[in-house]
Amino acid sequence: IAGITQAPTSQILAAGRRMTLRCTQDMRHNAMYWYRQDLGLGLRLIHYSNTAGTTGKGEVPDGYSVSRANTDDFPLTLASAVPSQTSVYFCASSKTATNTEAFFGQGTRLTVV
Amino acid sequence: DQQVKQNSPSLSVQEGRISILNCDYTNSMFDYFLWYKKYPAEGPTFLISISSIKDKNEDGRFTVFLNKSAKHLSLHIVPSQPGDSAVYFCAADPRGIGNTPLVFGKGTRLSVIA
Repeated sequence: IAGITQAPTSQILAAGRRMTLRCTQDMRHNAMYWYRQDLGLGLRLIHYSNTAGTTGKGEVPDGYSVSRANTDDFPLTLASAVPSQTSVYFCASSKTATNTEAFFGQGTRLTVV
Repeated sequence: DQQVKQNSPSLSVQEGRISILNCDYTNSMFDYFLWYKKYPAEGPTFLISISSIKDKNEDGRFTVFLNKSAKHLSLHIVPSQPGDSAVYFCAADPRGIGNTPLVFGKGTRLSVIA
C-alpha cells in the first residue's frame, strides 16, 4: 500500500523557473492539502481541495496554484519560483473534509536559487 | 494572528520521565484537536486526538488533556523514550466553521535524553 506519494523528493530550482510538485494518493480520499514547513513557522496551508473538481486557498497561497482533475492527484505549481519559496512541501489527504486524521507524504525539499 | 500556539519551540526530558507539551488556541469554535509527530525527513504522522466533549484521551504512553475554559491542551508522554524525540505539532479542527482544513501550531521539538 503506497498511501500518499510525492515527487520529486528534492529539487534545486533556478529563480524564475516553473515547477510542479506532484502528489498522488491511492486511498480514494476526497480531501487533499498542500502545506509548507519552514523553521520556526510550523506547517502552513497553501491550498486545499475538499473533493475532486474543487480547490480553496489556504494561509499562504500567493505564488502557487493547484488543480484537482481527479480524486488521486493534486499537483502544486510554482509559476515563477522565488527564493522565499525555498521550503519543505508536504502533501496530505483525508477521507473527507471533516475527517481530519490527515495522512502526509514524505515531503519535497525545494531550494530556489 | 496565530490561532494555535505552541509557545515552547523545544523541550528536553530525561528518559523515563514525563514529557508535557502544551498548546493554546484562540478560537472557541475549534472542537476537535489532534497531535502529530514528525521525524526528520519524514512527513507528520497522526498521534492522538481529542474531541471537545471530552477532557482526556489516553492511548498507551500518550495522554491528551483538554481544558476548554482555558483554551488549552497538553500532551503527556510517560515514560518518555529516546524514540519519542521528534517535532510535535498541535492541530485544531475548525469543524464548527465548515469544511476548513486543520490549523497547525508551529511545533515543539522534543529531545529525550538517554
